[in-house]
Amino acid sequence: AQSVTQLGSHVSVSEGALVLLRCNYSSSVPPYLFWYVQYPNQGLQLLLKYTSAATLVKGINGFEAEFKKSETSFHLTKPSAHMSDAAEYFCAVTHTGGFKTIFGAGTRLFVKA
Amino acid sequence: DSGVTQTPKHLITATGQRVTLRCSPRSGDLSVYWYQQSLDQGLQFLIQYYNGEERAKGNILERFSAQQFPDLHSELNLSSLELGDSALYFCASSVGRTTGDTIYFGEGSWLTVV
Repeated sequence: AQSVTQLGSHVSVSEGALVLLRCNYSSSVPPYLFWYVQYPNQGLQLLLKYTSAATLVKGINGFEAEFKKSETSFHLTKPSAHMSDAAEYFCAVTHTGGFKTIFGAGTRLFVKA
Repeated sequence: DSGVTQTPKHLITATGQRVTLRCSPRSGDLSVYWYQQSLDQGLQFLIQYYNGEERAKGNILERFSAQQFPDLHSELNLSSLELGDSALYFCASSVGRTTGDTIYFGEGSWLTVV
């Protein structure tokens, strides 16, 4: 069975600093991996996804994530945080041949001025 | 705007009551998903339908049921409501049933049980 662990329920960074949100997955077969963002009072929207093509995936709003099979990780990064990045971020996994997308518990990102 | 429409946006009801949440998927999407989001449980997958048939089941209680109609809209029925059912219920849709598909979320239906 697949699962997702997001390390850190809250992350706080200064504006302009590096954003690093951690995600580790467990899957017995090759996974599809996703990062979604949820702004206050809104639904989730896709930031980026990994579907076994390039291991470095670029998404919207300057975010990117790298799939590392050896570490079973799919960490989300952004070189320079902006105030508008403050939101909750969810990592999710589905495995090929499966139907359920499993979401992590989420990481709330705070950006300080 | 994701293209997924959910109604109602907010709902307040009493314990023991029954409510129905409605979802219209994006145009052309055949799969519909229901998720429950609460502070203590996080985002929980409830159920998925593909082209009218149940495709996958998650942590959906027996008091809850869902269906997808021929026009592809879906309804989530919640009965014998308890205080703990208060949550944000998301509907989402995707094009097909392949697992690499992007899932598009609606803005959710806030359910408060008093």
